[in-house]
Amino acid sequence: DQQVKQNSPSLSVQEGRISILNCDYTNSMFDYFLWYKKYPAEGPTFLISISSIKDKNEDGRFTVFLNKSAKHLSLHIVPSQPGDSAVYFCAASALGAQKLVFGQGTRLTINP
Amino acid sequence: ETGVTQSPTHLIKTRGQQVTLRCSSQSGHNTVSWYQQALGQGPQFIFQYYREEENGRGNFPPRFSGLQFPNYSSELNVNALELDDSALYLCASSIRLSGTTDTQYFGPGTRLTVL
Repeated sequence: DQQVKQNSPSLSVQEGRISILNCDYTNSMFDYFLWYKKYPAEGPTFLISISSIKDKNEDGRFTVFLNKSAKHLSLHIVPSQPGDSAVYFCAASALGAQKLVFGQGTRLTINP
Repeated sequence: ETGVTQSPTHLIKTRGQQVTLRCSSQSGHNTVSWYQQALGQGPQFIFQYYREEENGRGNFPPRFSGLQFPNYSSELNVNALELDDSALYLCASSIRLSGTTDTQYFGPGTRLTVL
């Protein structure tokens, strides 16, 4: 039962353009969503989060959008930089549950 | 501020053996969660410890057990290792605040190979 899905295993974007990573979820109890970035041989690094009471959260080049009715969230990176090349994981949590449920990840490659 | 650290970095064991993985939480954090990440997959929740008590468990058998110490560091123990236990084991720490959901910060992981 895959409650959090990232349907694109990989994405290739030109440097300077916008990268859009997508994530869908099925559990309506999820109320907190996070994006993590992971380089090889390192642990996931927290990027940005959003609570279900919001529909948008920005932090520098990173913006997360949440569409609760569609059970969909997306991460926008503008402008994309070579250092953004990594695997990106979407994760979700329900209040009180504490555990994070992760998607399978999307490998983002930024081309010069 | 010291981040989450894990030891060892890599470990090779044989089937049937037992293993202990260690985690030091980030300064000021009181909660530790453990995840297993198989190749090509997202991390899967094993369990969480808060105030030295297990506080939630994922779909893992009892041979996966843990401890949290008074300094909030933690151990993950796996008994009777199986080949499918080969994975990256991630520790994450967070601050438990009532009425909110914690943001978890991950360590670099321990790569376990079972032969």
